[in-house]
Amino acid sequence: NAGVTQTPKFQVLKTGQSMTLQCAQDMNHEYMSWYRQDPGMGLRLIHYSVGAGITDQGEVPNGYNVSRSTTEDFPLRLLSAAPSQTSVYFCASSYLEATEAFFGQGTRLTVV
Amino acid sequence: QKEVEQDPGPLSVPEGAIVSLNCTYSNSAFQYFMWYRQYSRKGPELLMYTYSSGNKEDGRFTAQVDKSSKYISLFIRDSQPSDSATYLCAMKGAWNNFNKFYFGSGTKLNVKP
Repeated sequence: NAGVTQTPKFQVLKTGQSMTLQCAQDMNHEYMSWYRQDPGMGLRLIHYSVGAGITDQGEVPNGYNVSRSTTEDFPLRLLSAAPSQTSVYFCASSYLEATEAFFGQGTRLTVV
Repeated sequence: QKEVEQDPGPLSVPEGAIVSLNCTYSNSAFQYFMWYRQYSRKGPELLMYTYSSGNKEDGRFTAQVDKSSKYISLFIRDSQPSDSATYLCAMKGAWNNFNKFYFGSGTKLNVKP
């Protein structure tokens, strides 16, 4: 049971490049979400999904796209990377109405 | 105003001290109150949760919820260096079918040997 797997763990991008952060879970959770964590800002919700084919915006969605074609996968796409997107990104999953969210190990992204 | 407010610290205490971590919130519809612990360079993990008001104890940890004051606390007794981590409070409510978690910004705790 792998839990929530995020790839890559580290990434350096140049301004204007695009990339996809991968997230996969093997717990059959309906709810998946992406957060970014910046010093002093805590976890800020980017996008979330309550099931395959259903996504919605969170607190800071600009510059990011998501899709949910399967229950297991929830990739996050950076359309045109900017230095302001330098952050640690966490993917999380849970059952709907659950109190426990399971987090991946995080992706440390630097945009230069 | 953020839905959940948490003092970022850092909080530095000697080993064996009692630690008090707190969050305030503005939405009276929150019903589940959680505490997550995050070690350096790791993802957060659930420590404990409480439903509605009251206390809950788990070993050295006690969670308290005061819905009338919109205030929650986590107490750590006999703190250990291994408790050094960032503690995030989180909340959920019924108005959105309990789907979304609302996190505080986290309090960084350092327990000195």
